[in-house]
Amino acid sequence: SQQGEEDPQALSIQEGENATMNCSYKTSINNLQWYRQNSGRGLVHLILIRSNEREKHSGRLRVTLDTSKKSSSLLITASRAADTASYFCATDRGSTLGRLYFGRGTQLTVWP
Amino acid sequence: EADIYQTPRYLVIGTGKKITLECSQTMGHDKMYWYQQDPGMELHLIHYSYGVNSTEKGDLSSESTVSRIRTEHFPLTLESARPSHTSQYLCASKDRGVAGELFFGEGSRLTVL
Repeated sequence: SQQGEEDPQALSIQEGENATMNCSYKTSINNLQWYRQNSGRGLVHLILIRSNEREKHSGRLRVTLDTSKKSSSLLITASRAADTASYFCATDRGSTLGRLYFGRGTQLTVWP
Repeated sequence: EADIYQTPRYLVIGTGKKITLECSQTMGHDKMYWYQQDPGMELHLIHYSYGVNSTEKGDLSSESTVSRIRTEHFPLTLESARPSHTSQYLCASKDRGVAGELFFGEGSRLTVL
């Protein structure tokens, strides 16, 4: 069954604008991860945030985590056309076995 | 860039054929996974392995089977393909430890006619 629920399902913006994607989940977690998938390709890991962290940065990416609301957000600042892709959040559902559970993703389109 | 490789990238076959999707990684990772993904949908875990001679079924029931005879190799086999098996199959691996990223291959897109 689906664990992460990304919102919105699709997002269309102009280059230079910021893109914000949200993820909600249902169970306790050890960590939450964000991945990117270009059309027809495999997923690429972007960032991992642990359950005891509230915010994390990596380049133009900023991830927040609110465990009380069971939600996370991914902010991409100053978007570029090359950022066009699907973005997925994934959680471990509190398991220590290394399995990840993915949502349906947000399709981001950045227009030049 | 991840050192995990899937072949073939694209495969179109007829119903009833036996197919094997290959997945190899050169990172020495113990844990390997097969996910199935339909367009615009989430990834569903269909098989995973924690090491040589270890295989488990995932959350989504699948008629496929897997084997893990060598650390670096985790092939997926369909004995008799059907149109309902048409999908993208993604292989991933992970190093030891609780936390950590999955490294994905480029995927194998299977179409069964």
